[in-house]
Amino acid sequence: AQKITQTQPGMFVQEKEAVTLDCTYDTSDPSYGLFWYKQPSSGEMIFLIYQGSYDQQNATEGRYSLNFQKARKSANLVISASQLGDSAMYFCAMREPLYNQGGKLIFGQGTELSVKP
Amino acid sequence: DTGVSQDPRHKITKRGQNVTFRCDPISEHNRLYWYRQTLGQGPEFLTYFQNEAQLEKSRLLSDRFSAERPKGSFSTLEIQRTEQGDSAMYLCASSLVLPAGGPDTQYFGPGTRLTVL
Repeated sequence: AQKITQTQPGMFVQEKEAVTLDCTYDTSDPSYGLFWYKQPSSGEMIFLIYQGSYDQQNATEGRYSLNFQKARKSANLVISASQLGDSAMYFCAMREPLYNQGGKLIFGQGTELSVKP
Repeated sequence: DTGVSQDPRHKITKRGQNVTFRCDPISEHNRLYWYRQTLGQGPEFLTYFQNEAQLEKSRLLSDRFSAERPKGSFSTLEIQRTEQGDSAMYLCASSLVLPAGGPDTQYFGPGTRLTVL
């Protein structure tokens, strides 16, 4: 069965510093997609970044990058130059295999990030 | 380009009452997903539609829950005879799935927070 594990319930980072949020996953399928979402206190899930299992390079989107280590089954999110507005819950999610028409996301427990001024 | 919208944003009801939530996806998106999120947890998949067809339902979706997407546009999620355990955030997401494939990124609405007294 597919599973996502986020082992850090809470993280603190100083403003303007970089922070890494951990995510490990478990699947026996060779084809999958990994996503990171941000959920502020308002509740809306905001898409941040995507990594496909066949992608050769690590994904980057502005201040967000994904440290994808396929052999270790990890997909850590790196946020550079943290801002106060980055304080939120962060969820790692895995989509069902690409050959499966379902596409539902399986989420981890989340990591609450607090950025200190 | 408007995002996913959900209505209402908050709903308080008494145990045993029926409630209905609406989701309007991004206009060109052909897939629509419903998730449920309880406090301190990641979202859990409930059901999804491709156009107007409901293609998968989670075991979490008891007989009291029903979802529709009558014209392949907006969707409704109805909960009959609500129970206190139904209290949660109900999230809707939409995506565009193309025959050629792609990341199938799901974009979420702001959610409907249900409180059952």
